[in-house]
Amino acid sequence: GDSVTQMEGPVTLSEEAFLTINCTYTATGYPSLFWYVQYPGEGLQLLLKATKADDKGSNKGFEATYRKETTSFHLEKGSVQVSDSAVYFCALNNDMRFGAGTRLTVKP
Amino acid sequence: DAGITQSPRHKVTETGTPVTLRCHQTENHRYMYWYRQDPGHGLRLIHYSYGVKDTDKGEVSDGYSVSRSKTEDFLLTLESATSSQTSVYFCAISDRVENGYTFGSGTRLTVV
Repeated sequence: GDSVTQMEGPVTLSEEAFLTINCTYTATGYPSLFWYVQYPGEGLQLLLKATKADDKGSNKGFEATYRKETTSFHLEKGSVQVSDSAVYFCALNNDMRFGAGTRLTVKP
Repeated sequence: DAGITQSPRHKVTETGTPVTLRCHQTENHRYMYWYRQDPGHGLRLIHYSYGVKDTDKGEVSDGYSVSRSKTEDFLLTLESATSSQTSVYFCAISDRVENGYTFGSGTRLTVV
């Protein structure tokens, strides 16, 4: 079946560091891909999405590119802030699958 | 979250008792979903609905049932709660699956 694999956390960075969270997927067809963010005590929020190969989703300084050849959708941000501390989930719309989540902590 | 509310937010119940969680939306979205979130497992789909009275099972549906008698409400029932159903439950809605979801704030359920 379809699946999503995320890099294991937790990830701890200093403010202004570069962030990469890896996500790879296995899917039939051409799914849409998503990144969601969950702040403490809250539900998930859609961060960005891409609906076809080579699309780049972006929002709030985060971006991810739909790479069909490597079946990947890695999340990146050039300069993280303390307020980016949260859990990040990669997902695809086939079978409504989510990754296990990656906890990011950004220290001042 | 705008347009979607879950109730109750917290509940403690005893093993063997029935429990119903409610998800209410004001967005008139076609699709509604119930997920559970557990450490190390991310989110796992329990049941989903693609219209009034149209529901289907997800990855972890055993021990759960759902009903959708109106577009705006999607109920999740644990017929006889067990300790393994202690979890945080999230409802989500979507107008089109390729657009992603809007999530509720969650219900923390503890079965003792």
